[in-house]
Amino acid sequence: GQQVMQIPQYQHVQEGEDFTTYCNSSTTLSNIQWYKQRPGGHPVFLIQLVKSGEVKKQKRLTFQFGEAKKNSSLHITATQTTDVGTYFCAGQIIQGAQKLVFGQGTRLTINP
Amino acid sequence: KAGVTQTPRYLIKTRGQQVTLSCSPISGHRSVSWYQQTPGQGLQFLFEYFSETQRNKGNFPGRFSGRQFSNSRSEMNVSTLELGDSALYLCASSLAGGELGEQYFGPGTRLTVT
Repeated sequence: GQQVMQIPQYQHVQEGEDFTTYCNSSTTLSNIQWYKQRPGGHPVFLIQLVKSGEVKKQKRLTFQFGEAKKNSSLHITATQTTDVGTYFCAGQIIQGAQKLVFGQGTRLTINP
Repeated sequence: KAGVTQTPRYLIKTRGQQVTLSCSPISGHRSVSWYQQTPGQGLQFLFEYFSETQRNKGNFPGRFSGRQFSNSRSEMNVSTLELGDSALYLCASSLAGGELGEQYFGPGTRLTVT
């Protein structure tokens, strides 16, 4: 079936180190969204990317959408303890679809 | 605006029983999606409703069903519960016309099947 693969599954870093999570789809995506879920919480929307090659920044977070619209990445510069949580990508496989396919998520833990 | 609310927050049921979960979307949001979250499978899409119509459905057995009311509130029903149905059930609302936009998630209902 339609899948969105996300790696790594887990990442442990020292505070101040950078962090990157990657998303890959077997099919071209209409758009991709990123969510953050804190431990014990629910997913919270971070951003949506629509255009091929798009790059968006939110403070220390940089989001990229690949040229072929099949992959995406989230990079956090100089992690802080508040960045702890699980980061999910979610892709819309078909244009006009009302369904998101979520990646498995990358759980980020940080050593202060 | 009040956020997405889900009731109940926690539920314990036994195998073979049925359960109904409720979701109230953000005021003005007409799309409600349901997801099952488990440690092993991540977030799995169940179905999406818009204006009382199911627009899309995930790969779950027919034991999982849902509906949406005229006020956009939605319910999800699981019949003949199995141990594997133990999970966090999340609903999310969005303004959505065509494509799904930003999803606003509720706190979830944690279902335990014994």
